Amino acid sequence: AQTVTQSQPEMSVQEAETVTLSCTYDTSESDYYLFWYKQPPSRQMILVIRQEAYKQQNATENRFSVNFQKAAKSFSLKISDSQLGDAAMYFCAYRNYGGSQGNLIFGKGTKLSVKP
Amino acid sequence: GAGVSQSPSNKVTEKGKDVELRCDPISGHTALYWYRQSLGQGLEFLIYFQGNSAPDKSGLPSDRFSAERTGGSVSTLTIQRTQQEDSAVYLCASSPRGVANTEAFFGQGTRLTVV
Repeated sequence: AQTVTQSQPEMSVQEAETVTLSCTYDTSESDYYLFWYKQPPSRQMILVIRQEAYKQQNATENRFSVNFQKAAKSFSLKISDSQLGDAAMYFCAYRNYGGSQGNLIFGKGTKLSVKP
Repeated sequence: GAGVSQSPSNKVTEKGKDVELRCDPISGHTALYWYRQSLGQGLEFLIYFQGNSAPDKSGLPSDRFSAERTGGSVSTLTIQRTQQEDSAVYLCASSPRGVANTEAFFGQGTRLTVV
């Protein structure tokens, strides 16, 4: 069974600085998808960024980028120029490739605080 | 509506009572997921529906939990004889079929408190 591990329960960053959130996963599959979701206090889960395992190029969305290391099964999220609105819980998630899509498996999350 | 809708937003129930939580997915989305999020914890998978296929119930924690999806759209999660440890936020998500890299769209959840 696939598992997702986020080893940092809490992280803190100064406004305008850069922070990296870690995620590792375990799978025997070669094709899959990885996601980072943000959950602010409103509880609404919001997709931040996604990565297809068959793509070597790291995904980037504005201030958010990932460092995807397939051999190491590592998928870290880098937030540049941190803003107060980035404060939230961040969850790493995994999904198998395939027409049936399959279950989305989440890590336990990292609580990010942004200091003004 | 445009997004995933869950009702009620908050529910307080007495221990031993049954509760029903409702999820309206985005129109046309064939995949529907239920997750449980205990205070300060990650998302625990409960059940997954995909079209007309048999649901993946592997995450249901006990036989007190059940879920159905009528007409491939609305889903109801039922918890019978609620216990205090059932207190959590229950999140529903939906996604389209056939595009495996598509994100799952989440509702805002139902906060269940068992007293």
